[in-house]
Amino acid sequence: KAGVTQTPRYLIKTRGQQVTLSCSPISGHRSVSWYQQTPGQGLQFLFEYFSETQRNKGNFPGRFSGRQFSNSRSEMNVSTLELGDSALYLCASSLDPGGYNEQFFGPGTRLTVL
Amino acid sequence: AQSVTQLDSQVPVFEEAPVELRCNYSSSVSVYLFWYVQYPNQGLQLLLKYLSGSTLVKGINGFEAEFNKSQTSFHLRKPSVHISDTAEYFCAVSDPQAGTALIFGKGTTLSVSS
Repeated sequence: KAGVTQTPRYLIKTRGQQVTLSCSPISGHRSVSWYQQTPGQGLQFLFEYFSETQRNKGNFPGRFSGRQFSNSRSEMNVSTLELGDSALYLCASSLDPGGYNEQFFGPGTRLTVL
Repeated sequence: AQSVTQLDSQVPVFEEAPVELRCNYSSSVSVYLFWYVQYPNQGLQLLLKYLSGSTLVKGINGFEAEFNKSQTSFHLRKPSVHISDTAEYFCAVSDPQAGTALIFGKGTTLSVSS
């Protein structure tokens, strides 16, 4: 069974631009979560989607948004990029939400904002 | 709000020595606890999890962890480490009642040398 895939793996943008990251979960997994990983803040939860609905949201500004499609694939969008948005963005999928299910992580998208 | 404290940011050890990576969490309610490992340029991989039952949890790669409710701790141990265990280790918690996503600690870098 294929793992979680994230595209693109690397991205370079300039301040003020917007970016869309994509995540394809493991087949059969219906829950997708997004995390931002930086050296200073560590791993921070962005949002969680289940059945095309945002189920939970972390403490990030409205510039960060996401969505989930009927096939469980998910995208996250960051508008008006800032230097501080440079990070590794990780997507994780699980069978269902609920916390007890193992989350399987993708390799991440490394975003650099210049 | 939930929080996770990993008491050591870096742990250097020699090959074949035992190691303990410490983790404390803030909640007094029932939680699920996890340890993840991240190798360079990769996503996170689940080492082990505690949901309920036996307080000693065995995971992959010879790791184990002990849940201590009174001390709100979930320390990770391995009796004999290998060079290949060099990685970053993250402790995480989720609250099944609140339905929250994973809250991660800042991580501990384990460096194994010969």
